[in-house]
Amino acid sequence: QVQLQESGPGLVKPSETLSLTCTVSGYSITSGYYWGWIRQPPGKGLEWIGSMYHSGSTDYNPSLKSRVTISLDTSKNQFSLKLSSVTAADTAVYYCARRGSVYHYFDYWGQGTLVTVSS
Amino acid sequence: DIQMTQSPSSLSASVGDRVIITCRASQTISSYLNWYQQKSGTAPKLLIYAASSLQSGVPSRFSGSGSGTDFTLTISSLQPEDFATYFCQQSYSTPWTFGQGTKVEIK
Repeated sequence: QVQLQESGPGLVKPSETLSLTCTVSGYSITSGYYWGWIRQPPGKGLEWIGSMYHSGSTDYNPSLKSRVTISLDTSKNQFSLKLSSVTAADTAVYYCARRGSVYHYFDYWGQGTLVTVSS
Repeated sequence: DIQMTQSPSSLSASVGDRVIITCRASQTISSYLNWYQQKSGTAPKLLIYAASSLQSGVPSRFSGSGSGTDFTLTISSLQPEDFATYFCQQSYSTPWTFGQGTKVEIK
């Protein structure tokens, strides 16, 4: 059974870099699929942040592209998100998720982690 | 970006009711449309992909239809565990975008 679990600080100061890690179990991230991040501000809708393919190619939401880096750590079966220069508008629940490569649906999700941007 | 608009934003229904949620894309997306269910405090769960394909393990009372710009999610007989928020997502072109959600509440 594929499982994903986010980890990282729940509080980040404005202008600093948000860093999260997603640990995958039950499936090797080198075997296929895209691995990425989606966020949901409290009480609001879902926003796709970006993804990385198992081969290493990436795609990012243009609205965040200048601040986002997604990377894979195949030795640990993990992938990570870095979002720089955060503001209060980046406060959200951050989900990691697996995405299919044909119909691009998100079929497995982590439980989500709330990240608050505040001084 | 492709804008996804769901209607209604919320609805009240009773157990056993037939519920229909619609999703409209700002441009044609063929059948690249997915539906998710999100219960309070939990991650979204994939229900339907490619407009009408039922994800493994999802009850058959859920169905999806449509192509082009107009899509529907139908719950044939609403069950207590179906009270949740439902989102559509287009997977035709990046950036992948979601509808604003439809909250299904108990009447």
